[in-house]
Amino acid sequence: SQKIEQNSEALNIQEGKTATLTCNYTNYSPAYLQWYRQDPGRGPVFLLLIRENEKEKRKERLKVTFDTTLKQSLFHITASQPADSATYLCALGGNTPLVFGKGTRLSVIA
Amino acid sequence: SQTIHQWPATLVQPVGSPLSLECTVEGTSNPNLYWYRQAAGRGLQLLFYSVGIGQISSEVPQNLSASRPQDWQFILSSKKLLLSDSGFYLCAWSVGGLGNQPQHFGDGTRLSIL
Repeated sequence: SQKIEQNSEALNIQEGKTATLTCNYTNYSPAYLQWYRQDPGRGPVFLLLIRENEKEKRKERLKVTFDTTLKQSLFHITASQPADSATYLCALGGNTPLVFGKGTRLSVIA
Repeated sequence: SQTIHQWPATLVQPVGSPLSLECTVEGTSNPNLYWYRQAAGRGLQLLFYSVGIGQISSEVPQNLSASRPQDWQFILSSKKLLLSDSGFYLCAWSVGGLGNQPQHFGDGTRLSIL
């Protein structure tokens, strides 16, 4: 069955540094990969979508890479701020509904 | 602009009682609609999705059911709640394909079963 692993349950990083979150998957060949942000008690908010034929996508301080050979996506937040503290979810999809990872809880420490 | 509403925000129900959670979407036509449950440490689990009025697909066998009586309305129901039904229930919408478009979530219902 499909399996999605996000590198760790929690990640602590100092303000100003680059946060890097990992999403690995097995038994799946998704055409699309998405990243979401979720704050406590709220629904996830869409951040970025990347297609299998795209290597990298950027949006402001966010960057996503998608390596279909390694079956891995990296999500980077540059110049991280305490306001970036949240849980980040990766999700894989194509013609079938999205499958979500369990998320990584990021804490940016001032 | 599009908006999604879910209510109630929190709900405490006894075991064996019925359930009805409602989700409405405004500002878009013929959206795909989704119900998810998020339990601690288990991530987002897709329960049901709908690509049109009266069309429901179930992803996980359970004692829950879903209905879509209007294009903009998605309802999650149960006749008899179990303790294991506790969790954070989220409704979402998207347009276009099921897994190739962003999904937009409501703020969820926290359901506690006593």
